[in-house]
Amino acid sequence: GAGVSQSPSNKVTEKGKDVELRCDPISGHTALYWYRQSLGQGLEFLIYFQGNSAPDKSGLPSDRFSAERTGGSVSTLTIQRTQQEDSAVYLCASSRHRAGPVYEQYFGPGTRLTVT
Amino acid sequence: QKEVEQDPGPLSVPEGAIVSLNCTYSNSAFQYFMWYRQYSRKGPELLMYTYSSGNKEDGRFTAQVDKSSKYISLFIRDSQPSDSATYLCAMSSQGGSEKLVFGKGTKLTVNP
Repeated sequence: GAGVSQSPSNKVTEKGKDVELRCDPISGHTALYWYRQSLGQGLEFLIYFQGNSAPDKSGLPSDRFSAERTGGSVSTLTIQRTQQEDSAVYLCASSRHRAGPVYEQYFGPGTRLTVT
Repeated sequence: QKEVEQDPGPLSVPEGAIVSLNCTYSNSAFQYFMWYRQYSRKGPELLMYTYSSGNKEDGRFTAQVDKSSKYISLFIRDSQPSDSATYLCAMSSQGGSEKLVFGKGTKLTVNP
């Protein structure tokens, strides 16, 4: 079946512009996660959606970052007034609701964001 | 101190070698330990997971967890060029249904 898809695959933007990154999770997966992977760094958690619960936004680095998930499916990560330090690969993952000891998070290919 | 420490390498080995990758962590609440493999320009994929302490084997891969030392390892036997990738350890206190805390990843190259 189809995996997690993300668009665009690459985005180059000028400093100060806003960008929107899209994630389509695997159908039926109730949990959705956004991570950021900067050069030489591991994955950094940004935000987590689980069903209709309030999202866990504890990883968002500043108020320029926001995300929403419409209809429990597609999610959009928005970065306002982009800065050069926002340049990174933004990864989306989804997983099923708890039914065992560990939930495998399935990752998309990521969006490579470059802020010039 | 970061919650999870992982030597970024790079690590280069000949084909057939045994590879040892490891991570240390500081948060004693972590109970679920995962290893992800990430090929260049791709998203990570789950290789193995273990709960609490102990060993788990899957084919050429063995994961070990020592909670008393806050130390986890991944061993790859008979390494193949196709194993060349970045290996990320990840940890959670609630089985992956919440955010994972990742190491920086170790870049491995297996030379034919």
